Amino acid sequence: AQSVTQLGSHVSVSEGALVLLRCNYSSSVPPYLFWYVQYPNQGLQLLLKYTSAATLVKGINGFEAEFKKSETSFHLTKPSAHMSDAAEYFCAVSDSQAGTALIFGKGTTLSVSS
Amino acid sequence: GAVVSQHPSRVICKSGTSVKIECRSLDFQATTMFWYRQFPKQSLMLMATSNEGSKATYEQGVEKDKFLINHASLTLSTLTVTSAHPEDSSFYICSARLTGMNTEAFFGQGTRLTVV
Repeated sequence: AQSVTQLGSHVSVSEGALVLLRCNYSSSVPPYLFWYVQYPNQGLQLLLKYTSAATLVKGINGFEAEFKKSETSFHLTKPSAHMSDAAEYFCAVSDSQAGTALIFGKGTTLSVSS
Repeated sequence: GAVVSQHPSRVICKSGTSVKIECRSLDFQATTMFWYRQFPKQSLMLMATSNEGSKATYEQGVEKDKFLINHASLTLSTLTVTSAHPEDSSFYICSARLTGMNTEAFFGQGTRLTVV
């Protein structure tokens, strides 16, 4: 079975500081990995996805993530945090088959202080 | 990107009544949709996979007689919470993936259900 583990339920950074949100995956097949962001009482918005084309994936709003097979990781980073980045972030995994559900990690709350 | 619309965004119902939540794919056809439940400050828990024209597949521990799913067309799936109780209060989110390999999932806006 596939799963993802997000280390750290809550991350706090100052505005302008580096953002690092951690995600490790477990999969017996080549995984497809995603990062989503959720604002209060809203659905999820895709930040970026890894589909084996390139290990360094760039997403929206300045976020990027690097797939490291040796570490089974897919950590999300952003060089400089903005206040508007404060939200809940979810790492998710699926297999390659079309029509399968994404499995989510427990989420990480990002707080950004001025 | 593709759009998934979910309705209503909020609903309050009395204990014992039933509530229907709609999930529509607005600009694409979705043979498969997914229903998730999210408790406050927690992750999304997959409840069931909704298949157009056939029975839904429920995850272990989800009562299929309580959470009725109908996927009658390629653009509409509905979740009906039957005989709702306060413990059913939660945030319900639907999603759909485009056909093809390794596509992302698109999510509805979610429905906040409060049972009083």
